[in-house]
Formats: sequence, C-alpha cells, structure tokens
Amino acid sequence: EDQVTQSPEALRLQEGESSSLNCSYTVSGLRGLFWYRQDPGKGPEFLFTLYSAGEEKEKERLKATLTKKESFLHITAPKPEDSATYLCAVQASGAGSYQLTFGKGTKLSVIP
Amino acid sequence: KAGVTQTPRYLIKTRGQQVTLSCSPISGHRSVSWYQQTPGQGLQFLFEYFSETQRNKGNFPGRFSGRQFSNSRSEMNVSTLELGDSALYLCASSRGISSYEQYFGPGTRLTVT
Repeated sequence: EDQVTQSPEALRLQEGESSSLNCSYTVSGLRGLFWYRQDPGKGPEFLFTLYSAGEEKEKERLKATLTKKESFLHITAPKPEDSATYLCAVQASGAGSYQLTFGKGTKLSVIP
Repeated sequence: KAGVTQTPRYLIKTRGQQVTLSCSPISGHRSVSWYQQTPGQGLQFLFEYFSETQRNKGNFPGRFSGRQFSNSRSEMNVSTLELGDSALYLCASSRGISSYEQYFGPGTRLTVT
C-alpha cells in the first residue's frame, strides 16, 4: 500500500526565515511525486511534479527536490502570502490509473 | 483557459437523503478524479474516470458512485447520507494520456445534519 508522511504537521516562520518541509513516501513504483498548495476553503493548487531521484524544480521562493525515499520543499525568505497548507502526493506507476495518494499536509504560517 | 469548475459550492443535506455533485474538467482533459477531504483523514481517493469508464475506485462504500459523460463532465452521487459524509469533495482533471498532473477544482462543501 502506498503511503505518504509529511512533517512537520505545522510550521511557524518569521518573514524571511528559510526552512524545509519533508515528505517521505513508500510506493511500489513511483510515476511521479506532486506538491500542491492549499488555501483555506479552496482546492489544492498544483506546484510541481518530480519524476526521478535527483530532480529539482523551482518556482519563485519554492524549490522541490526528490530522493528515492523522500522529497523536500525548500522555502527561501518566505513572505506572509506563502502561508498555506502544503500537500505532497505520490502517483504509482503501472497501467490504468492516475490515482494520487496524499499526505496529511504541513500547515505553514509566515509571521510578518 | 478556464479551470475545473464544481457545482454547487455549498450544500446542506439531511441524514438519509442523497446528493449529486457535478464537475466540469479543463477543456481537453479526459480524466476526472474525485477525492474526499476531511480534517481527520485528509484527502482520500474516491474514483477516477477516463473516457466514460471508471478506471479505479478507492475504499469507499457502494453508497458513493459516479459517472462520466461523453463531454468529460462528471457527476458523483452519494446515497443514504450519513453524518460522516460531511466533507469537502474535490474534483481533479488531467489529460489522462502522457500527462500526469491533476488540476483541482474549488470543491463542494457538503454538510450533513
């Protein structure tokens, strides 16, 4: 069974204080690992897809990396508008389905 | 390009009733997946449709069902509602072939009283 564990559950940062969120996963074969951002009362917003160990992707203050067992979302010099819940999900390889298995998320609060 | 739309956005139902939720995917996307999100369980996969065929189903009781139409729009139905069905129901669409990113709609907030 595919499993995704995110840590920490919640993180409070001062504006400008860089940090990383962790996503560890167990999957029979990884097709892709996805990062989403979710604001309260809204649907998840797609951020990144990573497909193979060693891959990195960046978007503004966010950088996602992938190893064979975990992924990190690095946030550099965060701003209050980066406050949200960040979700990690895996998609297993194999024919027939694109089902995502999600972690419980990390709730990030950035204090001015 | 318009995103995924879901209707209605909010719904209040009574225990024992049934409900139908609707999802319109991004134009050109042929795959639609449904997820249930609750504070305790997080996002859980319900089912996935591609070209009007159910491709996969999660571990939910048979009271939860869905379908997809020829224009890729999808509906999910929950019969005999229980209090525990109160949740945010999210629909996600993807191209379904050679592109694996799923894009989510805003969700339907269902409250069962």
